Amino acid sequence: DGGITQSPKYLFRKEGQNVTLSCEQNLNHDAMYWYRQDPGQGLRLIYYSQIVNDFQKGDIAEGYSVSREKKESFPLTVTSAQKNPTAFYLCASSIGGENTEAFFGQGTRLTVV
Amino acid sequence: DAKTTQPNSMESNEEEPVHLPCNHSTISGTDYIHWYRQLPSQGPEYVIHGLTSNVNNRMASLAIAEDRKSSTLILHRATLRDAAVYYCILREGNSGNTPLVFGKGTRLSVIA
Repeated sequence: DGGITQSPKYLFRKEGQNVTLSCEQNLNHDAMYWYRQDPGQGLRLIYYSQIVNDFQKGDIAEGYSVSREKKESFPLTVTSAQKNPTAFYLCASSIGGENTEAFFGQGTRLTVV
Repeated sequence: DAKTTQPNSMESNEEEPVHLPCNHSTISGTDYIHWYRQLPSQGPEYVIHGLTSNVNNRMASLAIAEDRKSSTLILHRATLRDAAVYYCILREGNSGNTPLVFGKGTRLSVIA
């Protein structure tokens, strides 16, 4: 089945460690996005990529890094510089063109202890 | 992106229609109105979108005011599965793949 897959669903890390969240899509979508969601809040944009080998910072990019070496993959690294990394992370993708819908993964819940 | 205003929460009885309002008084002529919903502990899912005319699909209907400063998402018969946070989002029509900008949305509770 076509879709967007995030793994793992739950992730625990010790403070000070970098951690990479996986996002893969087989929808042949050009654009991919990473959002962060804190309890009771809406989604906030971390990074997005509209094409392979190119990406832009979102509203809260500090402490995060991304790469887009393949169309299908857009991994997010949460670095030790991120002050409050515990959150629900969501990846999305959309095909090119005007006002097409975005498809979201099921999310990764990261807990840093 | 232009901003939207939604009630924090709403409640509905099961099998009754639900009207979820959204105000967007600063909408521009090229902004599309998108609705997404997020079930508990899941990623958001697309519901519907429109520009000027009312829109219907298998999930819902979207009623857009004539001046486009407000819109209403209509669920014709609420079920328990419709309990979710509903987000009303404006997206510039000529912007290609620009990201969606989420507010806090409306939390819909459905009572059996």
